[in-house]
Amino acid sequence: DAGVIQSPRHEVTEMGQEVTLRCKPISGHDYLFWYRQTMMRGLELLIYFNNNVPIDDSGMPEDRFSAKMPNASFSNLKIQPSEPRDSAVYFCASSLLPYEQYFGPGTRLTVT
Amino acid sequence: KQEVTQIPAALSVPEGENLVLNCSFTDSAIYNLQWFRQDPGKGLTSLLLIQSSQREQTSGRLNASLDKSSGRSTLYIAASQPGDSATYLCAVRINAGNMLTFGGGTRLMVKP
Repeated sequence: DAGVIQSPRHEVTEMGQEVTLRCKPISGHDYLFWYRQTMMRGLELLIYFNNNVPIDDSGMPEDRFSAKMPNASFSNLKIQPSEPRDSAVYFCASSLLPYEQYFGPGTRLTVT
Repeated sequence: KQEVTQIPAALSVPEGENLVLNCSFTDSAIYNLQWFRQDPGKGLTSLLLIQSSQREQTSGRLNASLDKSSGRSTLYIAASQPGDSATYLCAVRINAGNMLTFGGGTRLMVKP
């Protein structure tokens, strides 16, 4: 397996634009997680899915953020409209409970 | 609310030294604990996973221990090498779900 795949790897956008981050989990994993990493706040869990169903989205910062998992092999995280404070590295991870979480390479988002 | 702390935040050692990284957590009711490595600008790589019923796990020069009752885990690195330079993060998974709570990490530099 190629591991968790994320795209794009880098995204630079202007404030107010919609941003879509994509993730393909490891085949067979039934959990998918979206994290955000910043220098100030470290790694924070935004939302996670089990069998494509959102289980906990309490970490989603505000209504501008949304995430979907239409099938077992794809998830996206959208920010609309984007703001400079959304600049961070966004990681997707997947796992098969109770085993390790495997992380993707991340998407570095810069909102100017 | 589970809080995870890693001390020290940064560590610099000469090559060949054995070292210990510390992780503490406030709620001992954990499902398991995972140690990760993160290289600059990269994603997280899982190093070791310790289930709550285990006391330690070993992989090569790495040994992780877990003391649930005292809320502590240590990552022991034997005979450190410059290639071990990275940020090491610990994360705990609570019983209530599959969510990981991360520590702030220890940034390790091994000098040749």
